Amino acid sequence: QVQVQESGPGLVKPSETLSLTCSVSGGSISSSSYYWGWIRQPPGKGLEWIGSIYYSGSTYYNPSLKSRVTISVDTSKNQFSLKLSSVTAADTAVYYCARHSRVASFDYWGQGTLVTVSS
Amino acid sequence: NFMLTQPHSVSESPGKTVTISCTGSSGSIASNYVQWYQQRPGSAPTTVIYEDNQRPSGVPDRFSGSIDSSSNSASLTISGLKTEDEADYYCQSFDSSIWVFGGGTKLTVL
Repeated sequence: QVQVQESGPGLVKPSETLSLTCSVSGGSISSSSYYWGWIRQPPGKGLEWIGSIYYSGSTYYNPSLKSRVTISVDTSKNQFSLKLSSVTAADTAVYYCARHSRVASFDYWGQGTLVTVSS
Repeated sequence: NFMLTQPHSVSESPGKTVTISCTGSSGSIASNYVQWYQQRPGSAPTTVIYEDNQRPSGVPDRFSGSIDSSSNSASLTISGLKTEDEADYYCQSFDSSIWVFGGGTKLTVL
């Protein structure tokens, strides 16, 4: 059973960089069948796909966030990471990591981690 | 950019049937699979329909999905509504290396 788990600071100051890591267990992040993605959900609002990465390092970003997002993978640690720069209060959200296929579902999700942007 | 539009909320009584729509902004929604997720408060989303109309194991057959190419929309139908079905539901699809979620529909069972 694949499990994914987010970790990182719960509080980030405005204008700084949000950094989160997703640890994958019960399966290899190097599987050729899957992508690994970040999704966020502001309080009381809907889901927003942030971006995804393939084990080879190919990245895909939401056009609305592309200029501020970097996703990377560390296959040796079975982890992938998110960096979101120049954050504002609008970036306050629960951040989820998840496994997904190219054309079908996000099937394994982390429990989510709340990141608050505040001074 | 490709977008998916859902009604903000729907409500129905226990035992009845409800359908939630998801309309694509451009192209053909039938070109790529549509998934549906259920999210209860405080929890991560879970898949109730994948690849347009497939149910993961453990999801009751009261949940079904369909595609209507004429209206460029997907639908999630829940029959025999139960109070436990009350949740937020999101459609999701893929287009040109972008993964997209609909805005979500709050289902109230009253």
